[in-house]
Parts: sequence; structure tokens; C-alpha cells
Amino acid sequence: SQELEQSPQSLIVQEGKNLTINCTSSKTLYGLYWYKQKYGEGLIFLMMLQKGGEEKSHEKITAKLDEKKQQSSLHITASQPSHAGIYLCGAVIPYNFNKFYFGSGTKLNVKP
Amino acid sequence: DTAVSQTPKYLVTQMGNDKSIKCEQNLGHDTMYWYKQDSKKFLKIMFSYNNKELIINETVPNRFSPKSPDKAHLNLHINSLELGDSAVYFCASSQDRGMRAPLHFGNGTRLTVT
Repeated sequence: SQELEQSPQSLIVQEGKNLTINCTSSKTLYGLYWYKQKYGEGLIFLMMLQKGGEEKSHEKITAKLDEKKQQSSLHITASQPSHAGIYLCGAVIPYNFNKFYFGSGTKLNVKP
Repeated sequence: DTAVSQTPKYLVTQMGNDKSIKCEQNLGHDTMYWYKQDSKKFLKIMFSYNNKELIINETVPNRFSPKSPDKAHLNLHINSLELGDSAVYFCASSQDRGMRAPLHFGNGTRLTVT
């Protein structure tokens, strides 16, 4: 079973459109991380959310963590081809502090 | 300067061979990891070392053996390679073994076993 569920699995949007990716856990999380992976490359850290209700933004990407710390969303405004890649959420699960789990990833394509 | 570097980037080998992947980080982090990314892009932790000490050893076949000569290096040796070992292997490091700091990843090693 997977500790973190991501949706959608893949997404194709027209350049300029907004989009949202979701990450859900059945357990309360100790911190939620968002990463981006460009095809054939490593993972790039985007943002870390630790407090319930927290919201962070970087350029056109905004991430939120719900009050219960079980769900996070990543929102991209006015998407660009440079946003294309695989987005992964990651988190520490409370009963296993040394382990970092990843969601299954969301593959994003942005059509120019 | 590359923060987490792994070599080689690509590795193609035949079943039954033994191969190694090297990883080095220049971030001064105490904790290093190996992750395996399967064909569906799912990342799964394999091993974690903190200051040369093994702290996480997931259910990974004994054919996989990590080695950490110092806290800046974590190498992965794989014996008797099998077709199912084909995947992308990522090395990562963190300044906090309790996962309160983000992981920094290498660019991955794509292993293909034929």
C-alpha cells in the first residue's frame, strides 16, 4: 500500500492555464515536501510545509497543507512549458520518523 | 559545484554481473540515502546512513549492499544483477536524519539489465 496518494497521475494543460495537483495521506504528516523531477534528471526541492493550514508560494507555484496535515495541494498559475515535469509529494509518516515516503507522482505536460 | 553527484549516469549490463554505483555529496550532510525509482516513477527508499552508520535497511535483497567509507560518500554495490533490478537509482542527502530538512538528490543512475 502507498502511504501518499497523488492525483491526477498525469495532466496535460494548455500554456497559460492554471492547474492543481493533490497529495493525500490517511495519517497525519510531519511535514510535507514538494519536489519536481525533470525528465531524466534528479529531484528538485520546491517547498516544505510543516504547519496545518500553512501556505507557501514561489513564483507561480503555491502549495497548501490542510489543517489536519493530511492533504496538500500544489497549484500552478498561468502554466508555462518550463513547468513540465513530474511533481512528487513526500512526507515523514509519524510512526516511522526516519523514513521519507513519496507519492506516486504527477506527470505534467504543458502545451505551448 | 554539484551538491550530490552519482556515477555513472547510465549503466547497461547483463544478468548475473556485479556492478557499483557511487555517490558523493559536498553539502556537509550527515545523512545519505539510496532510493529506487521504478518504471511507474514511484520512489522507494532502500537504505539510509547517518555518519557512516546504517539506520534504514528496507526489504531489499541481500544482493544490494551499501557502503559508506565516510559521511560524504555512500556507494551501492549490486551482486548477481537480475532483470527486475532495472530502474533509476537516486542518491540523496539531508542535514537531518529526522527528516525535518529537505532531501537533496543526485541526478540518478539509470540501470538497465539485459
